[in-house]
Amino acid sequence: AQSVSQHNHHVILSEAASLELGCNYSYGGTVNLFWYVQYPGQHLQLLLKYFSGDPLVKGIKGFEAEFIKSKFSFNLRKPSVQWSDTAEYFCAVIANQAGTALIFGKGTTLSVSS
Amino acid sequence: SQTIHQWPATLVQPVGSPLSLECTVEGTSNPNLYWYRQAAGRGLQLLFYSVGIGQISSEVPQNLSASRPQDRQFILSSKKLLLSDSGFYLCAWSVSGANVLTFGAGSRLTVL
Repeated sequence: AQSVSQHNHHVILSEAASLELGCNYSYGGTVNLFWYVQYPGQHLQLLLKYFSGDPLVKGIKGFEAEFIKSKFSFNLRKPSVQWSDTAEYFCAVIANQAGTALIFGKGTTLSVSS
Repeated sequence: SQTIHQWPATLVQPVGSPLSLECTVEGTSNPNLYWYRQAAGRGLQLLFYSVGIGQISSEVPQNLSASRPQDRQFILSSKKLLLSDSGFYLCAWSVSGANVLTFGAGSRLTVL
C-alpha cells in the first residue's frame, strides 16, 4: 500500500521568503501526486497535480511542484510567499490502478508573517 | 455544476450514542465517494470509499461504518460513539476513474 511522508510539521516564514515543503511517498508503481491546501476556515482545495509528462507542474497562486521519480519525491515550492499563503498544505498520492484511493500526508502548517 | 453537501456541520454527542453523518453530491452521476477524518497533527485519514451503490471499501477497522444507499449519497455511522471518534470528518467525491477529489465543508464531531 502507498504512504506519504511530509517532512515539516510547521514552517514559519516572513513574506517574500522562498518556500519548499518536502513530500516523499512509498509505492513502487505508477502514481498520481497532488498537493491540497486548506486556508483558515475554508474547504480543502486542489493546489496542483501530477499525472504524467513534464515532472515540473505549476498550480494556482504561483505554486509549483517537481516530481523526482528516483527520489519518490514531490516537493512543493514557491519563490516568494505572501501572508495570504498561511494555510495547511497536504501532499497526497494514489496508485494508478483501480480500487485504490487517495492517501494523504499528515500536513504542513505554513505561517507567513507580514 | 457539481456541489457536495455535508451535514450536520457540527455535532456534540455523548459517549455511547449513535452517529449519522450524511453527504450528498449534486450535478453528477456514479461518483466515487470518500470519507476522511482530519485530526490535528495526523493529516487526513482515509476511512471509507465507494465506487458504486452498496460498494464500500474500509481502510481502517474501527468503530465506524459507511453506507451508500443511493448513487449520490454516502453516510457515515456508528452504533456507539467513543471519545476517540471525535474529529473533523470530510466527505469527498471524484469522477469515476479520475483521481481529483473535491471536498465538502466537513462535519465537526465532539464526543463527550
